Amino acid sequence: DAGVIQSPRHEVTEMGQEVTLRCKPISGHDYLFWYRQTMMRGLELLIYFNNNVPIDDSGMPEDRFSAKMPNASFSTLKIQPSEPRDSAVYFCASSSRTANINYEQYFGPGTRLTVT
Amino acid sequence: KQEVTQIPAALSVPEGENLVLNCSFTDSAIYNLQWFRQDPGKGLTSLLLIQSSQREQTSGRLNASLDKSSGRSTLYIAASQPGDSATYLCAVKRNYGQNFVFGPGTRLSVLP
Repeated sequence: DAGVIQSPRHEVTEMGQEVTLRCKPISGHDYLFWYRQTMMRGLELLIYFNNNVPIDDSGMPEDRFSAKMPNASFSTLKIQPSEPRDSAVYFCASSSRTANINYEQYFGPGTRLTVT
Repeated sequence: KQEVTQIPAALSVPEGENLVLNCSFTDSAIYNLQWFRQDPGKGLTSLLLIQSSQREQTSGRLNASLDKSSGRSTLYIAASQPGDSATYLCAVKRNYGQNFVFGPGTRLSVLP
């Protein structure tokens, strides 16, 4: 398996622009998570999905952030409009409950977002 | 609210030393605890996962222990190598929901 795939790996954009981050989870995993990592706040859970349905979005910082999962193999995290304080590394992770794995999380390589 | 802390924040040791990284959590009602490694500019790699019913897990030179009642986990690294240099994070999953809470990490440097 190729693991969790994220694109783009790096994104530089100007304040006010729309940003879309993409994630492909590991095939067969039924949970998908979006995290944000900053030096100040560490790794924070933004939202997670189970079987393509958003379960908990309490970590989404504000209405400028939205996430979708139209099918089991694709999810997006959108920021509109973007602000400099959104600059961070955004990680996608997936997991599955099986006899041996039991929700073990697998992370993608992350998208480094810089908003100028 | 679950809070996870890790001590020390940074650690520098000479190659070959055995070392212990600490993780503490405030709510003992956890489902499991997972240790990760993060290399600079990279994603997180899962090292070990301990279920709440387990006391320890081992993988190669790594051994993770869990004392749920005291809210503590340790990651023991034997015979450290320069390639072990990275940031090590622990994360706990609560009994309800899928919310994982991460610690701030311990930045480890193993000097040749």
